[in-house]
Amino acid sequence: GEDVEQSLFLSVREGDSSVINCTYTDSSSTYLYWYKQEPGAGLQLLTYIFSNMDMKQDQRLTVLLNKKDKHLSLRIADTQTGDSAIYFCAETSWNKLTFGTGTQLKVEL
Amino acid sequence: DTAVSQTPKYLVTQMGNDKSIKCEQNLGHDTMYWYKQDSKKFLKIMFSYNNKELIINETVPNRFSPKSPDKAHLNLHINSLELGDSAVYFCASSHEGWSNEKLFFGSGTQLSVL
Repeated sequence: GEDVEQSLFLSVREGDSSVINCTYTDSSSTYLYWYKQEPGAGLQLLTYIFSNMDMKQDQRLTVLLNKKDKHLSLRIADTQTGDSAIYFCAETSWNKLTFGTGTQLKVEL
Repeated sequence: DTAVSQTPKYLVTQMGNDKSIKCEQNLGHDTMYWYKQDSKKFLKIMFSYNNKELIINETVPNRFSPKSPDKAHLNLHINSLELGDSAVYFCASSHEGWSNEKLFFGSGTQLSVL
């Protein structure tokens, strides 16, 4: 498909790990991003990965990149209630960012 | 101080009206954007301006006209509003406009067309 695809919804228990998946479309994307959108707010950049890497770790966040399958994932360790938000992956394509369809993460006590 | 600020936060109006949304950034960035987020949270770029010049103009009805009086401001004017224009509109900015740059977003303007 033409869209950058993500699953719509993910529910986890507090303290568990969350894994949010993304399938992107442009194999020439130089950078791939994860943005977070809290209710009533704009998007904030969480982390990004350069296309020649297959993994990046940043505190509780781990990004995995599989270029062959055009698959990107974001793992959040020890998920907290404050992590409840919508998460968007984004690819760089034709010198602009194209966002994924978004995954709503709900963290339950 | 808010880095990217947009006004109003909420806008409720009737079909057929003309309305504007204003955006200002105090980050000294050269590039500004307008994104539209629909009810399913799908986010799509509408326009981008670099130093007051139009760079990206996606397939947006010509009822939407962006205006950049200076590089710190990018306003969005919408003529003859339609029901389908109801959405959240986000302004954003980045340093130079390259795709590998971080975007800074405003908190959005929720437009409801009745």
